[in-house]
Amino acid sequence: NAGVMQNPRHLVRRRGQEARLRCSPMKGHSHVYWYRQLPEEGLKFMVYLQKENIIDESGMPKERFSAEFPKEGPSILRIQQVVRGDSAAYFCASSPPSTGAHGYTFGSGTRLTVV
Amino acid sequence: DAKTTQPPSMDCAEGRAANLPCNHSTISGNEYVYWYRQIHSQGPQYIIHGLKNNETNEMASLIITEDRKSSTLILPHATLRDTAVYYCIAPTGTASKLTFGTGTRLQVTL
Repeated sequence: NAGVMQNPRHLVRRRGQEARLRCSPMKGHSHVYWYRQLPEEGLKFMVYLQKENIIDESGMPKERFSAEFPKEGPSILRIQQVVRGDSAAYFCASSPPSTGAHGYTFGSGTRLTVV
Repeated sequence: DAKTTQPPSMDCAEGRAANLPCNHSTISGNEYVYWYRQIHSQGPQYIIHGLKNNETNEMASLIITEDRKSSTLILPHATLRDTAVYYCIAPTGTASKLTFGTGTRLQVTL
């Protein structure tokens, strides 16, 4: 039973390029959450999705960031026209429906470096 | 989420018990206390949670004060692999989003 799979593990982008981060939830998990962790800081919630629906995007920056969780395939976090301040570790978590916070399983993260 | 306060860092000798405190004085009656840890460069890992009774599992014990305003995570026999940042979280409602503060950086030493 594979855990939450994130890829790539490391991503380097030049300023102005697009970054696409992928997250495959655990089998049986229909809820996906994205978090961002800046260096030396705690994780910050970005967005919560269920299949084909964005449930809560209160933590997403207003511009350049978008997320989707299609009916088929992984969840995608897309960052357009990246800037140096986007450099961070991005973690995805998944959970089954109707669970408390003990039901979260986190992936190993994608470390984005913008040069 | 209820605000939680943790010491920024703690040291513990290997083999000894590590006691990590957390204050959550504004916690409401139906908010659970959750503990996660993040080992360097990895995603957070769930440890334990509780409402008002003390809890124990294979990883740790959780002691919650009777007034629920604070709790202590206990790692009974700390090992070097327990070196990590430990987060105490008290989410509101269905916990669709967790608020991670800065946590306690636990360093286990020989």
